[in-house]
Amino acid sequence: AQRVTQPEKLLSVFKGAPVELKCNYSYSGSPELFWYVQYSRQRLQLLLRHISRESIKGFTADLNKGETSFHLKKPFAQEEDSAMYYCALSAAGNMLTFGGGTRLMVKP
Amino acid sequence: EAGVAQSPRYKIIEKRQSVAFWCNPISGHATLYWYQQILGQGPKLLIQFQNNGVVDDSQLPKDRFSAERLKGVDSTLKIQPAKLEDSAVYLCASSQFGTSGAYEQYFGPGTRLTVT
Repeated sequence: AQRVTQPEKLLSVFKGAPVELKCNYSYSGSPELFWYVQYSRQRLQLLLRHISRESIKGFTADLNKGETSFHLKKPFAQEEDSAMYYCALSAAGNMLTFGGGTRLMVKP
Repeated sequence: EAGVAQSPRYKIIEKRQSVAFWCNPISGHATLYWYQQILGQGPKLLIQFQNNGVVDDSQLPKDRFSAERLKGVDSTLKIQPAKLEDSAVYLCASSQFGTSGAYEQYFGPGTRLTVT
């Protein structure tokens, strides 16, 4: 069975500081990893996926199979980045297993 | 394009009562999902439909929860009878279908259920 762990419930940084939201997973197969984000009073939405290897809103995430991690990073946090971030793993059939989420607060 | 629609947005019931939630996915999306999100946790998949067939319902508490997608479009999720621990946000999502890779899931606004 697959499992996704986000060790930090809350991460608070100042504007302009670097951000790293941690995600670790366990899965015996070849995983597809995602980061979903939920801004205040908005729907849960896809931020990025490891397979596309692109930067979205300045965020990047690299899949490290050796460490079974998929940490989300941004060099300079902005206040509009404040939100709930969920790491998710897709197994067969497009089914997602979500982590518990990390609330990112960017202070001015 | 219109997003995933859900109703009602909020529901308060007493334990042992029944409740039903409705979801209308994005047009053309063959796959529909129901998730349960308990406060402070990530969403947990309850059931996945491919058109009107069930792909996975291994985490659906079948003694009290049921779901259907009769015409392969709209879906309803029912709880009967409800327990206090069913208090959660119920999220519906939809995605395209394909055999290669995982597709982006589009989420509805959710229904917040409170069982008293």
